[in-house]
Amino acid sequence: DVKVTQSSRYLVKRTGEKVFLECVQDMDHENMFWYRQDPGLGLRLIYFSYDVKMKEKGDIPEGYSVSREKKERFSLILESASTNQTSMYLCASSSPTGFHEQYFGPGTRLTVT
Amino acid sequence: GDSVTQMEGPVTLSEEAFLTINCTYTATGYPSLFWYVQYPGEGLQLLLKATKADDKGSNKGFEATYRKETTSFHLEKGSVQVSDSAVYFCALSDVGSARQLTFGSGTQLTVLP
Repeated sequence: DVKVTQSSRYLVKRTGEKVFLECVQDMDHENMFWYRQDPGLGLRLIYFSYDVKMKEKGDIPEGYSVSREKKERFSLILESASTNQTSMYLCASSSPTGFHEQYFGPGTRLTVT
Repeated sequence: GDSVTQMEGPVTLSEEAFLTINCTYTATGYPSLFWYVQYPGEGLQLLLKATKADDKGSNKGFEATYRKETTSFHLEKGSVQVSDSAVYFCALSDVGSARQLTFGSGTQLTVLP
């Protein structure tokens, strides 16, 4: 059974803190993605990676960075958290072959106060 | 560019009612089409998929048929249950952007006992 895990289900951080969100997949997928989900705005792609040490900006990369040192792990970094980054963060992975369906983790609900 | 349009929610039905959630798409190539479901507080789960015209995807009593002539992929279920209450997302993967999915805005379904 495919599995994508995220390090925390709920996280509360203060404005200005550096925040790390971790995602691990056990499917040997090359592609990994970070989204944020906000009411009325749907899913928005922040960054994605199609190989170790590779990254590409999505639709809303400002205020975020990512790290992919190992194939199974993709980290999202908020360099200096702000209240407008309070959101649900979803990680996903997919294989570059087949039909590109993505498999999602359970999400991290981040609150920045 | 690619786009997915879903019917506006929220949708409220009584248990055992028939469900249709409309989804239409715009794509430059021959996309694969997906329905995802998101239960409260969870990540997205792949519900079903169809990868070519006239394919029917099905799972857990849900069905959707890939209609190229009408560029549609409507989700249907003959008899909904309270446990089907969730947000449903239509998505596509186009050959031109094979690593990414384009998502619709989501449709909230509430099933009342």
